[in-house]
Amino acid sequence: QQNVQQSPESLIVPEGARTSLNCTFSDSASQYFWWYRQHSGKAPKALMSIFSNGEKEEGRFTIHLNKASLHFSLHIRDSQPSDSALYLCAVSFYAQGLTFGLGTRVSVFP
Amino acid sequence: GALVYQYPRRTICKSGTSMRMECQAVGFQATSVAWYRQSPQKTFELIALSTVNSAIKYEQNFTQEKFPISHPNLSFSSMTVLNAYLEDRGLYLCGARGAQDTQYFGPGTRLLVL
Repeated sequence: QQNVQQSPESLIVPEGARTSLNCTFSDSASQYFWWYRQHSGKAPKALMSIFSNGEKEEGRFTIHLNKASLHFSLHIRDSQPSDSALYLCAVSFYAQGLTFGLGTRVSVFP
Repeated sequence: GALVYQYPRRTICKSGTSMRMECQAVGFQATSVAWYRQSPQKTFELIALSTVNSAIKYEQNFTQEKFPISHPNLSFSSMTVLNAYLEDRGLYLCGARGAQDTQYFGPGTRLLVL
């Protein structure tokens, strides 16, 4: 059974700083790796995904995957107050349901 | 854009009764629908994955007898919580899978059991 862990549980960062979130998984055969962001009272929304080892950048967001280490991460450059949310990492196999971590609550203060 | 609607947004039921929740994908064809539950102090747990014209796959600890699902077409799915008890309370999310394997989530149905 897949086990997905996130760290840290919560993070407080000043505006403009870099935010780094971590996610580890247990099944080395996992194929898809996701970061979702959930604002209070809203549905989780897909932020970024990666399918192969390496790095992927989209705007201020960078996702990094190392399958051998069973680890992937999300980095937010120039963090903004609007980035304050619950960040959920999730792992899946193709066309299967997601296994989520518990989330990291990020607060960005001006 | 791809949107997922869920109904109702919030419901209260008496212990031992049943309630049905619905999920509608708009703006895209959902190749599959997954139902999740977020219980208090827990993350989202996968209940079942439903693909049209295929058997519904339930995860460990969840059964068809307790959470029957109907998935008649590519845009609609419903799930019923039968004989709801306190441990069934939580936020039930519907995730509809679109292009590039992305799951789009609805806002959820929050179930309170008295």
